[in-house]
Amino acid sequence: QSALTQPASVSGSPGQSITISCTGTSSDVGSYDLISWYQQHPGKAPKLMIYEVSKRPSGVSNRFSGSKSGNTASLTISGLQAEDEGDYYCCSYAGSSTFEVFGGGTKLTVL
Amino acid sequence: VQLVESGGGLVQPGRSLRLSCAASGFNFDDYAMHWVRQAPGKGLEWVSAISWNSGNRGYADSVKGRFTISRDNAKNSLYLQMNSLRVEDTAFYYCAKGNVSVAGTFGDVWGQGTMVTVSS
Repeated sequence: QSALTQPASVSGSPGQSITISCTGTSSDVGSYDLISWYQQHPGKAPKLMIYEVSKRPSGVSNRFSGSKSGNTASLTISGLQAEDEGDYYCCSYAGSSTFEVFGGGTKLTVL
Repeated sequence: VQLVESGGGLVQPGRSLRLSCAASGFNFDDYAMHWVRQAPGKGLEWVSAISWNSGNRGYADSVKGRFTISRDNAKNSLYLQMNSLRVEDTAFYYCAKGNVSVAGTFGDVWGQGTMVTVSS
């Protein structure tokens, strides 16, 4: 069960757009459209931001969008705001033996 | 809609601990449930999941054979029995609401977490 690969950190200025990548394998990201993205602020529980690659839960801003190409999923945040700062994790279903695998997390800094 | 974990604490290596997660505000027995942990200063790690009827259970390799997930739908409760605890099991443990399928999206609802510290 190897973790999905995410960049350790990304940054952007308010109003800009950033993209966080999440690279897996043909056994997880490449095989299933069951990719989720979570936002976590310090000392808080994670929050679901994107599910099934590109769907947004009710209440999540449309500034957040997701996509997938091959073994890589991506989270894009447009119109960056200070409140977007935090840690972001991708997660993929990986089959009935492995179930779920998370990425290592990406720290987003809003400059 | 709420999940509340309990049962964390300080335990010696090799000992056991049982975590509980009390659910409210949704039809608990319609959904799979998951446990996710986070070691201090580290990332999220999926630990285990159980289907709505307990017929399907899965574990991370790191806990397989030591941890057992279970649920009591009559009590709207999820459990994680942790045996042969290791120092590396030290983490915040979160329960998270799953989907109708154990293979589906999870985490639209999370608990606040309970801290487990394994140390002599």
